[in-house]
Amino acid sequence: NAGVTQTPKFQVLKTGQSMTLQCAQDMNHNSMYWYRQDPGMGLRLIYYSASEGTTDKGEVPNGYNVSRLNKREFSLRLESAAPSQTSVYFCASSEEVWQGRNTIYFGEGSWLTVV
Amino acid sequence: EDQVTQSPEALRLQEGESSSLNCSYTVSGLRGLFWYRQDPGKGPEFLFTLYSAGEEKEKERLKATLTKKESFLHITAPKPEDSATYLCAVPGGSYIPTFGRGTSLIVHP
Repeated sequence: NAGVTQTPKFQVLKTGQSMTLQCAQDMNHNSMYWYRQDPGMGLRLIYYSASEGTTDKGEVPNGYNVSRLNKREFSLRLESAAPSQTSVYFCASSEEVWQGRNTIYFGEGSWLTVV
Repeated sequence: EDQVTQSPEALRLQEGESSSLNCSYTVSGLRGLFWYRQDPGKGPEFLFTLYSAGEEKEKERLKATLTKKESFLHITAPKPEDSATYLCAVPGGSYIPTFGRGTSLIVHP
């Protein structure tokens, strides 16, 4: 019963390097999300995918791209990492974002440090 | 603009000392209020969803209540294992939950 699985769990990048965070869910959910969590800022939405084939910007999309590869997988790419992107990243999923009862379930997080 | 404010930011309790955490919100058209627990180094874990004023839900020593403008998470006779950060979230106009900054709870034995 894995739920939402993210990889890698830890990563150190140099400024300007690129990388992709991978996320997969096994709950047959339609909607998936990427959040970042910073001290004192709480959880902020980067991008979301309401359903397979669609993606939309959240509150803090600059510097990121996403791909909804299929119903299960939703990846987050940093094309040219900056120190300001040092954060903890959480992938999440829910049955259907447009439903009134839309409980979101989170992965365990990916700790990213950009030096 | 949809806003979710949690208070206090941090709370220290002695084991057995009951207290409450607050989550106040300003959204147009409430589509539920969610409570999560987050342990250090982990992702948020879903606790409760409340949908209408007056609704209450319980789980072990936790009880969540909802009014038209705020929600309370009551912790009765807490134990050290209840130490965690508690987050609340409210879906806004986009249907996607906006999260508060959380309350960090420490329960001393």
